[in-house]
Amino acid sequence: DIQMTQSPSSLSASVGDRVTITCQASQDITNYLNWYQQKPGKAPKLLIYDASNLETGVPSRFSGSGSGTDFTLIVSSLQPEDIATYYCQQYDNLPFTFGPGTKVDIK
Amino acid sequence: QLQLQESGPGVVKPSETLSLTCSVSGGSISNSLYYWGWIRQPPGKGLEWIGTIYYSGSTDYNPSLKSRVTMSVDTSKNQFSLGLTSVTVTDTAMYYCATVWGKYTPGWFDPWGQGTLVVVSS
Repeated sequence: DIQMTQSPSSLSASVGDRVTITCQASQDITNYLNWYQQKPGKAPKLLIYDASNLETGVPSRFSGSGSGTDFTLIVSSLQPEDIATYYCQQYDNLPFTFGPGTKVDIK
Repeated sequence: QLQLQESGPGVVKPSETLSLTCSVSGGSISNSLYYWGWIRQPPGKGLEWIGTIYYSGSTDYNPSLKSRVTMSVDTSKNQFSLGLTSVTVTDTAMYYCATVWGKYTPGWFDPWGQGTLVVVSS
């Protein structure tokens, strides 16, 4: 199985801050990497697919980049509604695997 | 717009079989663009893919669960189902169904159902 790691595991930032979350795969997954946002008590929601493509309706302050084994999710200006846990997920090989998540809250 | 809704018992006894159904609305489960998947999340923990099914009945399962998992699709009811046998307390989780799709191969989950909590307890 492809192992996904994320850092940090949690972070606290102020409204308006730029937030960066990284995701690393245990082997080359090209760009087969997706990002999800899970707000407390809710189902995950797709934010970005194929490493850098913003899902329709997702605010443009979210962006993704990377290829191979290293990927980044950036929130350019953190908003109160962005409080959530963020997960990366690879689909280069079955089984699909998720990162352990990064919990983001407001300072 | 696709909407998915999980249903099934909230409590299952150890060693018994967990059975869940996902009802799809806003589109046809037979749409060739989509696959259908199950993902679970133990309380306070991360996400685990369980398996994916196509309307034809073709399946892929997580090897860690493969010996206990069965997925099926009922096109007449626009539903797909999950069965997990011989459950233990470690199968206690929120179970989500989701549409699985992608450009060339199914790869991302969107949208998700709201989830249903299944507790394994005697």
